[in-house]
Amino acid sequence: DAKTTQPTSMDCAEGRAANLPCNHSTISGNEYVYWYRQIHSQGPQYIIHGLKNNETNEMASLIITEDRKSSTLILPHATLRDTAVYYCIARRASGYSTLTFGKGTMLLVSP
Amino acid sequence: GAVVSQHPSRVICKSGTSVKIECRSLDFQATTMFWYRQFPKKSLMLMATSNEGSKATYEQGVEKDKFLINHASLTLSTLTVTSAHPEDSSFYICSADLISRTSGVNEQFFGPGTRLTVL
Repeated sequence: DAKTTQPTSMDCAEGRAANLPCNHSTISGNEYVYWYRQIHSQGPQYIIHGLKNNETNEMASLIITEDRKSSTLILPHATLRDTAVYYCIARRASGYSTLTFGKGTMLLVSP
Repeated sequence: GAVVSQHPSRVICKSGTSVKIECRSLDFQATTMFWYRQFPKKSLMLMATSNEGSKATYEQGVEKDKFLINHASLTLSTLTVTSAHPEDSSFYICSADLISRTSGVNEQFFGPGTRLTVL
């Protein structure tokens, strides 16, 4: 699976949009971009995934550049409960494929 | 989303004893489950892939005789840490793969984790 690069940490004010970037310049055509988050002392939580089109669900939006070399996860109105480590992972979407977790981005949402 | 449970959530044991951790997919069947380990302030590291009805596939550096995995049914995988030592103290997390009905792609759902402390 392609390697991803994320900033170590980010801060966001409560109620503002949190934009978390991810670089995946070596992503291959059959790899999706997955985002997970892990709140302290809990298991990771699936957020969203996409291939090349922008995606939106009840949790977040995912913007993928046209060349697919980078993406941005957007939490439109961050709350204190969104404080977590966010992981961007490139993974084949079909068949057996493991998830390789990098260091992720520690997002701190402050009042 | 799909629900994966783990039991126990927290366990403290003496050095030399064995500890079993259960991972269950509550509302779906999972032919493949995964076991991860996470040390403090570190990322998740895949330990092994558990396949229903067959032997688990272990990642390099993980001792298969120490970390016994059994996946006897489509909803249950167990991890047994044998002869536990203090260095085995960690956060153990399982996950299960599910093919999404809406997107048709694999999604992986995680359990809440088990905190193991070996004294």
